[in-house]
Amino acid sequence: EAQVTQNPRYLITVTGKKLTVTCSQNMNHEYMSWYRQDPGLGLRQIYYSMNVEVTDKGDVPEGYKVSRKEKRNFPLILESPSPNQTSLYFCASSPGGGPSTYNEQFFGPGTRLTVL
Amino acid sequence: QQQVKQSPQSLIVQKGGIPIINCAYENTAFDYFPWYQQFPGKGPALLIAIRPDVSEKKEGRFTISFNKSAKQFSLHIMDSQPGDSATYFCAASKHRDDKIIFGKGTRLHILP
Repeated sequence: EAQVTQNPRYLITVTGKKLTVTCSQNMNHEYMSWYRQDPGLGLRQIYYSMNVEVTDKGDVPEGYKVSRKEKRNFPLILESPSPNQTSLYFCASSPGGGPSTYNEQFFGPGTRLTVL
Repeated sequence: QQQVKQSPQSLIVQKGGIPIINCAYENTAFDYFPWYQQFPGKGPALLIAIRPDVSEKKEGRFTISFNKSAKQFSLHIMDSQPGDSATYFCAASKHRDDKIIFGKGTRLHILP
């Protein structure tokens, strides 16, 4: 089954404790992206990647890191989480150039993160 | 100039009614306007998309109307059903730009 998977689905952590949210897709998509969803703010893009070793900032990159060492994986790293990073996070993938080539994005099921 | 303004924030409609969700943008370089549908506990999924060379696109009960001069586009759901209850996001992007901008979402509830 073609899908985007995220782990963990739920995470409660404390301020300053480094964490990684994994994202994997089995559709051989070039484009991958991370979003956060907050009430009243909609979906905001954190980082995206056009292909292996190519990453760039979205609209809200502060406090996050990403890497793209393999085509299928795009982990989101919070080196020192803070309470304002409590949110629902979505990973997405898309064939070709993603939005720049009018391609659909396929979203994962989400990771609900709480930072105490 | 990169914003996409979506309204209303929430909407309640009787079954069979026609909910309408509106979006407005400023950047005239945007040339791809998708709508995503999100059910509770799930990730968003593409519902329908339009490019500005047409004024309307219909897929089943879902229609996008696009007004290029007004820089507005809207989603209409014909013969709405309780199963259409979800959050809807409009979005905009432009050719050769890797980013996509989403609206803040509309929570739609269809009453049985």
